[in-house]
Amino acid sequence: NAGVTQTPKFQVLKTGQSMTLQCAQDMNHEYMSWYRQDPGMGLRLIHYSVGAGITDQGEVPNGYNVSRSTTEDFPLRLLSAAPSQTSVYFCASSYPTQGRYEQYFGPGTRLTVT
Amino acid sequence: SQQGEEDPQALSIQEGENATMNCSYKTSINNLQWYRQNSGRGLVHLILIRSNEREKHSGRLRVTLDTSKKSSSLLITASRAADTASYFCATDPTDSWGKLQFGAGTQVVVTP
Repeated sequence: NAGVTQTPKFQVLKTGQSMTLQCAQDMNHEYMSWYRQDPGMGLRLIHYSVGAGITDQGEVPNGYNVSRSTTEDFPLRLLSAAPSQTSVYFCASSYPTQGRYEQYFGPGTRLTVT
Repeated sequence: SQQGEEDPQALSIQEGENATMNCSYKTSINNLQWYRQNSGRGLVHLILIRSNEREKHSGRLRVTLDTSKKSSSLLITASRAADTASYFCATDPTDSWGKLQFGAGTQVVVTP
């Protein structure tokens, strides 16, 4: 299993540009989530999904959209990038209905908005 | 808002010593989890302790949970240089299942 994969690894955007961060998992996990990590602040939940077709907001959803059309994929869209969105983004998945509450993380995408 | 807060923020020890870090949280939880992050990498799950458990072991790791004090501790025994990393606690709240809330982490440096 590849686990959780994220692309790209690095990205530089100009203010106002849009882009999609890709996330995929091959473990048939029902639960997927997106976090951002800023220095000294740990991880903060952006959006999450409990299954295909179901998404919900986390702690810091503004400026981001998500969709979940398949179990495997959970892309994160930045609608109009702002310097405040400069961060490292992590995707994670888990299988809580099987009693597996631990989350598996991807390697991250480091985003810089200038 | 961050649910968990780790203490200390940074810890520097020598190989062979034990490392202890603490986590405090604010609301009721289903479980509490500890993760490790090596520099520039994603988080790796270390251990999960459920709200009805008080202590759990996994290899050189020992986790305790005191729900009355809303606190947890992670002990790494006989530290190795490879244990150098940031360690995060994450709480799984009872009122928002699955929406983990992370603390800011403890940065541990183990010198040979």
